[in-house]
Order: sequence, then C-alpha cells, then structure tokens
Amino acid sequence: GAGVSQSPSNKVTEKGKDVELRCDPISGHTALYWYRQSLGQGLEFLIYFQGNSAPDKSGLPSDRFSAERTGGSVSTLTIQRTQQEDSAVYLCASSSSKTGLGGTQYFGPGTRLLVL
Amino acid sequence: AQTVTQSQPEMSVQEAETVTLSCTYDTSENNYYLFWYKQPPSRQMILVIRQEAYKQQNATENRFSVNFQKAAKSFSLKISDSQLGDTAMYFCAFTGGTSYGKLTFGQGTILTVHP
Repeated sequence: GAGVSQSPSNKVTEKGKDVELRCDPISGHTALYWYRQSLGQGLEFLIYFQGNSAPDKSGLPSDRFSAERTGGSVSTLTIQRTQQEDSAVYLCASSSSKTGLGGTQYFGPGTRLLVL
Repeated sequence: AQTVTQSQPEMSVQEAETVTLSCTYDTSENNYYLFWYKQPPSRQMILVIRQEAYKQQNATENRFSVNFQKAAKSFSLKISDSQLGDTAMYFCAFTGGTSYGKLTFGQGTILTVHP
C-alpha cells in the first residue's frame, strides 16, 4: 500500500510568517510521530499521537510549535512566527502499535523548511 | 535518559566487501528495541533492521545483520557484499520503557561504497 506522505516537499518562508506542514500516515496506523532533523541538533523527537490524542508533546521546542491530528489520520504541524533556527527537515513517521512501544516506524520523505 | 552513540562519523568500503558500523547505547530499561535506519540522499528514512532486546538471537535481513551485545550495550550493523546502493547515512535508534515508542537517534554514520 501507500507509504507515509508529507507536503510540501520544500517550503521557503520569511522570518515571522506561520507555516503548516502536513503528514498523511499509512492507512490504519494509529501511532504518528513528528521529528526534526537539523545539522546542529541531529534527529529530535517532537510529538507523538495515538489516534487523535497527543500523550507526549515533550519534544516541542517552544509554544510557537503546535500539532493536531484529525480523524485518526492526517496530522498538521504548525510553526507560528517562524525563526531562522526553525530551518530543518521535518519528518513524520507512523506505526501500527496501539501503545507506541515496539512498533516499527515508517517514515515519510520529509519537508525541508528554510526560514529566510 | 537514554543516549545513543555512533562513534564513526564516516566510513568507506569497496563494493562487494564487508563493513561494520558501530553503535552503543545507555539505558536502565529492560524492555526496549533497537533499529538501524538508512537515509540516502533522497532523504527518505528506510528501516534496515530491528532487534528486540529480549531476543538473544541477532536479527538478520539478507545482507544486513547485527551483533547485539546486551551486557555491553552494543548494537553494531554488518553489511556484507556491499553495493553502490548502500551508500547513505545510517542511524542507530533506541526506544524503550514508557517512551511511547519515540526514537532516540545516534549522530549517524555516512557510509560510502566505492566501485
């Protein structure tokens, strides 16, 4: 079946603007994760969804970052008032695990965000 | 907190030869999982291999195998008969305990396979 998809593939924005990044997980996968990949910080966890709930938001770096998931499927990561340090690749992953633990995560191709 | 360390920033190997990538981790959990992911220049993270800590047998997937040493907290990846398509960044990752499955990644190792 189809894998995890993300859009847009690339996004260039100006400092101070808001951006929305979208993730469409593998059909039937209830667990969804957002990660950020940057040169300085490597790969970092941002948030975990199980269904429409987010039991773990501990990786969101500031209150400018938020995420939601609707219908137990598509998720949107929103960054408000973007800063240059937000420039990174944002990766989404999904798994079939009902608890998160033990599930193999399948990744999307990522969204490369550049804040000018 | 769990940590994952990959001590080899870059590795290179000749086509058809064997190469081993190192990974060590630190955790106090008993129930955990370890993964190797591959990220080619296309940016897509691809699962290479998965190991469950309670299984003593080392995982294998075709040309890829791991040497899982639980007491030493070591999880190395061996790639046999290296191919040009194996050129990529390789990440070791850990998840365990009550972390809801979130992955902690190592810094990555860039592997280049030369013809």
